[in-house]
Amino acid sequence: GAVVSQHPSWVICKSGTSVKIECRSLDFQATTMFWYRQFPKQSLMLMATSNEGSKATYEQGVEKDKFLINHASLTLSTLTVTSAHPEDSSFYICSAERGFGYNEQFFGPGTRLTVL
Amino acid sequence: SQKIEQNSEALNIQEGKTATLTCNYTNYSPAYLQWYRQDPGRGPVFLLLIRENEKEKRKERLKVTFDTTLKQSLFHITASQPADSATYLCALGAGSYQLTFGKGTKLSVIP
Repeated sequence: GAVVSQHPSWVICKSGTSVKIECRSLDFQATTMFWYRQFPKQSLMLMATSNEGSKATYEQGVEKDKFLINHASLTLSTLTVTSAHPEDSSFYICSAERGFGYNEQFFGPGTRLTVL
Repeated sequence: SQKIEQNSEALNIQEGKTATLTCNYTNYSPAYLQWYRQDPGRGPVFLLLIRENEKEKRKERLKVTFDTTLKQSLFHITASQPADSATYLCALGAGSYQLTFGKGTKLSVIP
């Protein structure tokens, strides 16, 4: 149980285009979902916390107008990188928190974004 | 500011030995600490969670200790196998469910 999927697993796009990444909890309802970014040999950096039906909370330094997050249901959150640039190239990982006092997060397999 | 340090970027160990990874933190009072495994190009996989009022947790060949006085957690893998080779991340959390991750230690178990 507690499986989280991400789609796509990798994407290559041209500079200036927008890319949408989906995160789904397959066998549980996620009260909270998180979006992380990871650069090579670096730790996971939290970008934003997303609660179903409400606006996402962004970490300091993360532009909310550039990284649009929508959490429309208890099993789906999306991250849209708008007007992507080469410096946005990274590994984007989502996680879902099961709630009800459980603190472990279940991570998706990640999405490798390359902006040319 | 909060700081999490994992003892070394890389650790090589002989198959069958016990691997010990260290996670130290400063300027933080976590309610719990978690360990994750991450393989190249993949998302982290949850291994163990230990709360601030717990000293030790075990799961099969894994053991985690948590010393809030020393501000340190030790992660042990006994009878290590080549399949245990991966990057291991420690993460600290408080009541908001947000996690702060260390950079990880890349473990290589040599046959």
